[in-house]
Amino acid sequence: NAGVMQNPRHLVRRRGQEARLRCSPMKGHSHVYWYRQLPEEGLKFMVYLQKENIIDESGMPKERFSAEFPKEGPSILRIQQVVRGDSAAYFCASSPRVGDTQYFGPGTRLTVL
Amino acid sequence: GESVGLHLPTLSVQEGDNSIINCAYSNSASDYFIWYKQESGKGPQFIIDIRSNMDKRQGQRVTVLLNKTVKHLSLQIAATQPGDSAVYFCAEGVGNEKLTFGTGTRLTIIP
Repeated sequence: NAGVMQNPRHLVRRRGQEARLRCSPMKGHSHVYWYRQLPEEGLKFMVYLQKENIIDESGMPKERFSAEFPKEGPSILRIQQVVRGDSAAYFCASSPRVGDTQYFGPGTRLTVL
Repeated sequence: GESVGLHLPTLSVQEGDNSIINCAYSNSASDYFIWYKQESGKGPQFIIDIRSNMDKRQGQRVTVLLNKTVKHLSLQIAATQPGDSAVYFCAEGVGNEKLTFGTGTRLTIIP
């Protein structure tokens, strides 16, 4: 049973470019959560999605950031016009139902030059 | 605002000894608490969780204690091994819809 998968593992972008981060939840999991982690800090919640629905996006910046979890395929976190401050590790977690344990993927490390 | 914090940012323990990592939380509405272990370059790995209707829960070599009166959470690791070296995060949630993480404690096991 494969765990949560994220790709790419490392992503380098220049300022102004777009970054697309993908997350495939564990089999049978329909709840996906995205978190951001700066070096030497804890994870910060960004957005919580179920299939085709955004449930809670209270932690996501209002501009340039968007997330989706389509009926088919992985969840996508999209960052438009990246800036250096977007450099961080982005982690995705999934759970089978609300209230169940969240299991994390290996993360995508975004570096903005 | 509400926050989750850790008392000690670093902890060094002799191999074979027991370790205790502490965590304070401030959201009295939180009903779910969880400990994750994160090794360098990897994602958080679930260790153990506890709900607010319990005050103690045990796993393999790990025990989580919850004191709701003083809003305190601790993780005890018995008979530490070199592989236990990592950063440990506590996190809290209401219904586990979104987790609020603490800063983390770096645990180093001394051979």
